Amino acid sequence: DTAVSQTPKYLVTQMGNDKSIKCEQNLGHDTMYWYKQDSKKFLKIMFSYNNKELIINETVPNRFSPKSPDKAHLNLHINSLELGDSAVYFCASSQVTANYGYTFGSGTRLTVV
Amino acid sequence: GDSVTQMEGPVTLSEEAFLTINCTYTATGYPSLFWYVQYPGEGLQLLLKATKADDKGSNKGFEATYRKETTSFHLEKGSVQVSDSAVYFCALSVGAAGNKLTFGGGTRVLVKP
Repeated sequence: DTAVSQTPKYLVTQMGNDKSIKCEQNLGHDTMYWYKQDSKKFLKIMFSYNNKELIINETVPNRFSPKSPDKAHLNLHINSLELGDSAVYFCASSQVTANYGYTFGSGTRLTVV
Repeated sequence: GDSVTQMEGPVTLSEEAFLTINCTYTATGYPSLFWYVQYPGEGLQLLLKATKADDKGSNKGFEATYRKETTSFHLEKGSVQVSDSAVYFCALSVGAAGNKLTFGGGTRVLVKP
C-alpha cells in the first residue's frame, strides 16, 4: 500500500487552463503539505493543513487553492495556469509536528505549454 | 528566519570513495535535523535524522552528527556505490504543532563505476 499517493504523476496542459492534483495518505497523519520543486531542485513550501485546518499559507498566488475534505486528503487546484507554474509538486504528510519528518508522495510533474 | 545551507554540487566520486556533504543551519529555536534523499524521478525519502545535540543519525551506511556548537549536520558515507547517485537534502524543523521542514538547496551526487 502506498503511504502518500498523488495523482496524476504527469500533467501537461496549456496556459490558461485550470487543473487539480490530488493527494491521499493512509498513515493516519494529522498534517499534510504541498511543496513546489523547481528545475534547480529547490523545495519551497506552499501550504500545510492540520486536520482539515489551514496552518501554513506561504506567499503563493491566489490562483493556487488547496482543499482538504478530510485529514487524509489534500488536493491542490490551480486556476489560469502560467508557464512559470511548471514544476514538480510534492505532497507530504507528518504527525502533528514536522519534528518527526515527512513522508512524501512521488510527485506530480506539471508542464504548462 | 530558519535556513539551511548545503554545499553546491554536483559532487562526482568513484565507487568506494568517501562522501561528505556539508550542511549548516540557522534556527530560531532548537531544531530537529534531517537528511533526505531523492533518486531520479522519485519523491524524497527520509535517510536519517537527529533530534538533539550530539545525536548521531545513521542509515544505509550514511551518518550525520548533530553539532550544536558549529550548527552543522554533515552527511558522510565511508564507501559509496553507484546506487547512491541521487540528490541529497538537508532539512530542519523547529517548534511544535504547525511547524514545517525547511530544506537546503540539495546536493547532487554522481558515483561512477
